[in-house]
Amino acid sequence: SQTIHQWPATLVQPVGSPLSLECTVEGTSNPNLYWYRQAAGRGLQLLFYSVGIGQISSEVPQNLSASRPQDRQFILSSKKLLLSDSGFYLCAWSAGDGLLAFFGQGTRLTVV
Amino acid sequence: AQSVTQPDIHITVSEGASLELRCNYSYGATPYLFWYVQSPGQGLQLLLKYFSGDTLVQGIKGFEAEFKRSQSSFNLRKPSVHWSDAAEYFCAVVPSGGTYKYIFGTGTRLKVLA
Repeated sequence: SQTIHQWPATLVQPVGSPLSLECTVEGTSNPNLYWYRQAAGRGLQLLFYSVGIGQISSEVPQNLSASRPQDRQFILSSKKLLLSDSGFYLCAWSAGDGLLAFFGQGTRLTVV
Repeated sequence: AQSVTQPDIHITVSEGASLELRCNYSYGATPYLFWYVQSPGQGLQLLLKYFSGDTLVQGIKGFEAEFKRSQSSFNLRKPSVHWSDAAEYFCAVVPSGGTYKYIFGTGTRLKVLA
């Protein structure tokens, strides 16, 4: 069966520090991969999605970037964190038709 | 503009009462429709989905949803709420046409009174 792993579960980082959140999927090939952010009191905002290795689409201008170095690995990064980057980050995957998404357990990021 | 609206930010119901969570979408063609539930500090779990066919779909945990094309709505219902249903509920759409992008509403937080 397919599983999605996302880590770390929680992270506290100072302003200006770098960020790297990792997400991996097991049990499937060529998944579509997504990063979402859920800010306090707000819904889920799609940040990036990827339909293949090295193919990244950015949905909103921001301080973050994403990379997909391997088929089932999706990384969310920042060179210098801002306070406004705080939130709950969710990784998700879907099969080729994109019609059913499965979510990781999320990372709670607090920038202080 | 394309959007998904969940007009109720918070809903409080008594245990055993019925529940309806509203969801409206704004797209040119009928999208694919989903409801997800999120327990505190957790990821999202799929409750049910609508792709085509019967407009009343059954999901897990006793939930159902009805697609109404004329109202561009996909409301979630449960006849009798349990205390364990307290969570945040998200409506989501994938626009038809293969864009792969899930667009979520802002969520409805459900509180259940004993």
